[in-house]
Amino acid sequence: AQSVTQPDIHITVSEGASLELRCNYSYGATPYLFWYVQSPGQGLQLLLKYFSGDTLVQGIKGFEAEFKRSQSSFNLRKPSVHWSDAAEYFCAVGAYNFGNEKLTFGTGTRLTIIP
Amino acid sequence: DAGVIQSPRHEVTEMGQEVTLRCKPISGHDYLFWYRQTMMRGLELLIYFNNNVPIDDSGMPEDRFSAKMPNASFSTLKIQPSEPRDSAVYFCASSPRTGGEENEQFFGPGTRLTVL
Repeated sequence: AQSVTQPDIHITVSEGASLELRCNYSYGATPYLFWYVQSPGQGLQLLLKYFSGDTLVQGIKGFEAEFKRSQSSFNLRKPSVHWSDAAEYFCAVGAYNFGNEKLTFGTGTRLTIIP
Repeated sequence: DAGVIQSPRHEVTEMGQEVTLRCKPISGHDYLFWYRQTMMRGLELLIYFNNNVPIDDSGMPEDRFSAKMPNASFSTLKIQPSEPRDSAVYFCASSPRTGGEENEQFFGPGTRLTVL
């Protein structure tokens, strides 16, 4: 069974500083990997996804993530955060085969931005 | 496209009452998912459908919970009778297909359920 670990429950970053949110996954085959963002009172919005190919993927709002198979990681990065990035971020892993359509989500990382 | 639509957005009810949550997926999506989000347990998959057929309901917590999808544009999640521990935000999501590069779920805004 697949699983996702987001080791940081809460991160505080100054506006304009760089950001890295960690995600480690466990899956026996090639995974699909996702980062979603949830603003307060809202549903989840997809930031980016990895299926295959280039291990550095670009997403919306200036985010990127790098898939590192050797480390089973898919960390999310942004070079300069904005106050509007304050939200909860979820990493998720999906299976690469029909018949197993579940996404497994991590527990989330809450991002606080300070002026 | 209007995205995934959920109703109501907020529901407050008393213990023992029946609660029905509704979801309209994005037109043309083959898959529909129901999730529950709580502080303690995070985001949990309850059940999902493929072409209106329930595929995996292993996440449904107990018999008080039931879900239906009578057609491609409508699904319900029912709790009867409701209990205070059912208080959570319930999300519906839909996906065009999975197992391929379109394996992406689109989430609705959620229904915040409070059971007193």
